[in-house]
Amino acid sequence: GAVVSQHPSRVICKSGTSVKIECRSLDFQATTMFWYRQFPKKSLMLMATSNEGSKATYEQGVEKDKFLINHASLTLSTLTVTSAHPEDSSFYICSPSTGVEQFFGPGTRLTVL
Amino acid sequence: QQQVKQSPQSLIVQKGGISIINCAYENTAFDYFPWYQQFPGKGPALLIAIRPDVSEKKEGRFTISFNKSAKQFSLHIMDSQPGDSATYFCAASKSGGGADGLTFGKGTHLIIQP
Repeated sequence: GAVVSQHPSRVICKSGTSVKIECRSLDFQATTMFWYRQFPKKSLMLMATSNEGSKATYEQGVEKDKFLINHASLTLSTLTVTSAHPEDSSFYICSPSTGVEQFFGPGTRLTVL
Repeated sequence: QQQVKQSPQSLIVQKGGISIINCAYENTAFDYFPWYQQFPGKGPALLIAIRPDVSEKKEGRFTISFNKSAKQFSLHIMDSQPGDSATYFCAASKSGGGADGLTFGKGTHLIIQP
């Protein structure tokens, strides 16, 4: 159980374009979705928290207009990086939670040229 | 302000030996302390977790020791194997681990030499 998928697994885009990352919980319902970012050889940093049907709550220093989060259903959440720049290149990992336990997706490697 | 401090940054252990990684936290509201294993290019995978009502938890070769008064917890990997070579992260959260995001330590790069 507790299978989480992310799509795409890796994406390369040009500076100024937008990229959408999908996260699905395949065998459980996620009342809460966490999004983390991990720079190379660094730790995971919480970016934002969203509850199904509600607006996301962003951590200090994370631009809400740049990282758009949609949590429209209990099994799907999306993270859109708008007007991406090279400094946004990172490993983005979703973590859907049942409210009791959170599980991690396989991650999406974003490279912005 | 880093709320979870992890050491060492890197660790080399001989096959069959014991790997020990330590973490210290500052926020006394934390009540859930998991350890994650991460391989390059993959998401983190939960190894073992502990809540502050117990001082030790063991699952197979993995043991967490927890010292509430010192605000410290550690991971012990017994009989370390080359397949254990990975990056290990300690973490902490409030609300039992499901309703609040995790605060991670900086990670320990573990190498098990055959």
